[in-house]
Amino acid sequence: AQSVAQPEDQVNVAEGNPLTVKCTYSVSGNPYLFWYVQYPNRGLQFLLKYITGDNLVKGSYGFEAEFNKSQTSFHLKKPSALVSDSALYFCAVREFTDRGSTLGRLYFGRGTQLTVWP
Amino acid sequence: NAGVTQTPKFRILKIGQSMTLQCTQDMNHNYMYWYRQDPGMGLKLIYYSVGAGITDKGEVPNGYNVSRSTTEDFPLRLELAAPSQTSVYFCASSYQFREHRNTEAFFGQGTRLTVV
Repeated sequence: AQSVAQPEDQVNVAEGNPLTVKCTYSVSGNPYLFWYVQYPNRGLQFLLKYITGDNLVKGSYGFEAEFNKSQTSFHLKKPSALVSDSALYFCAVREFTDRGSTLGRLYFGRGTQLTVWP
Repeated sequence: NAGVTQTPKFRILKIGQSMTLQCTQDMNHNYMYWYRQDPGMGLKLIYYSVGAGITDKGEVPNGYNVSRSTTEDFPLRLELAAPSQTSVYFCASSYQFREHRNTEAFFGQGTRLTVV
């Protein structure tokens, strides 16, 4: 069975400081991992996804994510936070029904509200 | 390029009423999804479709129905609205074939539904 955990409901950081939003996952096969961001009253926007072999993934708006297979984690990071990064962040995992299948549902974590204060 | 378009943006329903949430995408994506988002609960999959004429249940399908007569459209039907269906509904789409299994999903802006 698949699951995604975001252990922190809220993360608060000062502008200019590095930020980390945590995500751990559980899947039976290879992990297909994503980060999405949601601004108020908007839909989800894709930030980045894990590609096999690249433990550090770079995405939009200066975000990156570090994949750690032994810790089953995919934490979102940014070296220097901006006030405009304040939003709700979702980690997601896609699990395929079998190795050759394209049928893969996305399962989302509960979300982490990031607040960057000036 | 419009992407994924949902209508309406807001709606208030009375208990027992029915309505259809519309979703259309112009990216020729084969997969489409309906999610509901409740505070602190993340997104839960209601129904999904892997192509025209093919739909299947997700995690929370009770009280909903879908159809997929064309590649572009994936409407969600609520037959007898209940207060438990008060939520924000998101439609999404993605393009997935054998060599492109791990593509990202694109989301609409959501429909905020209140059942009173």
